[in-house]
Order: sequence, then C-alpha cells, then structure tokens
Amino acid sequence: KQEVTQIPAALSVPEGENLVLNCSFTDSAIYNLQWFRQDPGKGLTSLLLIQSSQREQTSGRLNASLDKSSGRSTLYIAASQPGDSATYLCAVREWAGGSQGNLIFGKGTKLSVKP
Amino acid sequence: EPEVTQTPSHQVTQMGQEVILRCVPISNHLYFYWYRQILGQKVEFLVSFYNNEISEKSEIFDDQFSVERPDGSNFTLKIRSTKLEDSAMYFCASSEALAHGETQYFGPGTRLLVL
Repeated sequence: KQEVTQIPAALSVPEGENLVLNCSFTDSAIYNLQWFRQDPGKGLTSLLLIQSSQREQTSGRLNASLDKSSGRSTLYIAASQPGDSATYLCAVREWAGGSQGNLIFGKGTKLSVKP
Repeated sequence: EPEVTQTPSHQVTQMGQEVILRCVPISNHLYFYWYRQILGQKVEFLVSFYNNEISEKSEIFDDQFSVERPDGSNFTLKIRSTKLEDSAMYFCASSEALAHGETQYFGPGTRLLVL
C-alpha cells in the first residue's frame, strides 16, 4: 500500500531564505506527483505536477524534483516570503491500470516565513 | 480563471441526518473526485467519477455515501445517515483529460460538522 511521508512536519524560516521540503513515497509505480499549497481553512492550490517520466518542474520561485526510483521528491522555494506561509502537501497518483488512479497525500509540511 | 466551487462552505447537522454537498466542477472537465480531510489528518480519496459512473472508490466510501451528477454542471456527494466521524472538510476536484497525468483542481471545501 502506497504511503507518502513529508518531512519536516513544520518549518520556520526568516524571510529571504531558500528552503527545501521533502516528500517520500513507498511504491515507485506512480503516474505523477503533485505539490499543493493549503492555506488555513481553505482548499488546495496546485503548485506543480511532475510526470513520472520527468525529473523536475519549475514555476517562478518554486522548483520540484522527482527521483522515482528512490521514491523521493523535493520542493525548493527560493527567496522565501511571508506570503509563502502555508501547509505544503505532496501527493502521488498511483499507477492503477485502466482506472484514473487516485491521489495519495502526505500529511504536509507547515511552513512559516517570518518577516 | 475557471474554478471549482462548492456549497455550502459550512454545514452543521445532527447525527443520523442526510447531507448533500454540492460542487460545480470546471466546465470542460470530464473527471470528478471527492476527497475528505479530518482535522489534523491527511487528505483522503473517497471516489472518482467519469461518464456518469463511479470509476474508483476507497474503503471509506461505503453504502452511506453516494455521488451523482444530476445535471450538466453539478456534482454532489450525499451522506445518507451521518455519523460523528463524518465530521471533516470535504473537497471536490476535477480534471480535464483522459491521461493520468492531468492536474486535479480542487474546490475550497465544505466543512461538515456532525453533532
């Protein structure tokens, strides 16, 4: 059964710092991996999606990498800002034969960026 | 930018009552999903829906749950007889393409409290 783990559970950094969030998954047979942002009491905003055949994706100050064979992904945030404060969720989409394959989520890393 | 919308944003109900949670997916999307997040826990997959039928469902999605697309826009989740443990944030999501690689877009969620 696929398990997704995110470390650290919480992270507090001063503004301007570069940081890395980690995600690991137990079964490398995935279709893709998606990083989300969740603000308190709100829905999930998709940040980046990496296909299983890709190694990384970039969007602005965000860069996500994927090493499928080792079951790891990282989300790199450059020059962090207080507005980046949120919980960051990692989710893998399983290989599910002919069906869609649902998303399996990690518990998230709660990021706080201090001004 | 198109968004997934959900109503109501909050719902309080008595144990044993029926609730219907409503979602309007992004208009050209074909695949629809429900997830839930119990407070402090991971986001969990409930069900996926395509072409007017369930594609996949999790162990959580038992006989008390049902989904329906009653018209061309709405996608609903019904819980027939709510239990205390159904209290959670329920998220609807939709995606566009047949390919497994497509991003899922999430709504803001409905916070359900069962008393």
